[in-house]
Amino acid sequence: GESVGLHLPTLSVQEGDNSIINCAYSNSASDYFIWYKQESGKGPQFIIDIRSNMDKRQGQRVTVLLNKTVKHLSLQIAATQPGDSAVYFCAENSGGSNYKLTFGKGTLLTVNP
Amino acid sequence: NAGVTQTPKFQVLKTGQSMTLQCAQDMNHNSMYWYRQDPGMGLRLIYYSASEGTTDKGEVPNGYNVSRLNKREFSLRLESAAPSQTSVYFCASMHDFGYEQYFGPGTRLTVT
Repeated sequence: GESVGLHLPTLSVQEGDNSIINCAYSNSASDYFIWYKQESGKGPQFIIDIRSNMDKRQGQRVTVLLNKTVKHLSLQIAATQPGDSAVYFCAENSGGSNYKLTFGKGTLLTVNP
Repeated sequence: NAGVTQTPKFQVLKTGQSMTLQCAQDMNHNSMYWYRQDPGMGLRLIYYSASEGTTDKGEVPNGYNVSRLNKREFSLRLESAAPSQTSVYFCASMHDFGYEQYFGPGTRLTVT
């Protein structure tokens, strides 16, 4: 079936480095994508989203890139800080009047001081 | 503006007991969701309510029932709890399709 997955289950970086978290999706009908951050013991928190008519969107220290040709989504975090340590999920909405999101399993980002 | 609130935060049940998890949102969102999160499984959708008065099954509905009490509240009921239902349960709400979902802090449920 259709699914959203992540290439790397864990990522460890040094404080100040840039981080890149990847996500593959298989539903070509998906038209809306979201990245969530989940800290230990808390609910997922919205980071940034992108619609399928865009290739790139920037927020504060974060950038999401969408490559529809290869069905790939990435989250870039600039100047990673210890507070960025968390599990990051990508999610997709498969389009139309679809109220459901499909979530990937998550990548654990660890930032070493 | 509290966002999405869930009660209780923690619960321990014995096999066969029943309970209701409560969720409320104050953002005037139309859609509400219940997920469970297990280690290595990500978030799996149990039930959702696209609008007040409607509910639909998600990926893992067996053993659960839901009630959309009004626009603000969406409850999840376990009629006869089983150890396989030990999990962290998250409620979420969304303004409309094509927008992000906002999550509550979760309920950590253990069934012994």
